[in-house]
Amino acid sequence: GENVEQHPSTLSVQEGDSAVIKCTYSDSASNYFPWYKQELGKGPQLIIDIRSNVGEKKDQRIAVTLNKTAKHFSLHITETQPEDSAVYFCAANFRGYQKVTFGTGTKLQVIP
Amino acid sequence: EPEVTQTPSHQVTQMGQEVILRCVPISNHLYFYWYRQILGQKVEFLVSFYNNEISEKSEIFDDQFSVERPDGSNFTLKIRSTKLEDSAMYFCASRDRGFEQYFGPGTRLTVT
Repeated sequence: GENVEQHPSTLSVQEGDSAVIKCTYSDSASNYFPWYKQELGKGPQLIIDIRSNVGEKKDQRIAVTLNKTAKHFSLHITETQPEDSAVYFCAANFRGYQKVTFGTGTKLQVIP
Repeated sequence: EPEVTQTPSHQVTQMGQEVILRCVPISNHLYFYWYRQILGQKVEFLVSFYNNEISEKSEIFDDQFSVERPDGSNFTLKIRSTKLEDSAMYFCASRDRGFEQYFGPGTRLTVT
């Protein structure tokens, strides 16, 4: 079945450094890759997404890259700030518009 | 900014009891979803709903679960006879014709 792997499971960085989270997916038919940020006690919040016809997308300090051949995609956060501390989930959309399959999550801690 | 809302925020129930979790999706959205997240684990898809019918469901969504859109604004998840393993955060999500799914803040269900 569909599977999304994510690593690392935890990541600690100093404030101002960059953070990179990597994911792989199994179904080559997937065409949409969102990233969600989940703060304690809250629901997942969409922060950036990328579609399969694009290799890279950037929004201020956040960027996402996609390698369809290798079935890899990554989240890059530059100039990290304490408020970036949260759990980040990658996800992939299989077979069109229905369910989103989530990765296992990365707990990011930004140390002031 | 429009957002998905969910009630209650926390529901405690005894094993074997029925519970109904309620969601108000974003008003012009057409597709509705329920996901769950067991403590410390990833978010798992339960069911998707479009045009007043289920369009996809996971193996988790067995005969004990049902969904309904009783009016033009609410979307509900019913669990007929709760089990201990149903304890989790339940998230509602919705989207319009685009790819992006927007999540509510969740209902924490505790089955004792």
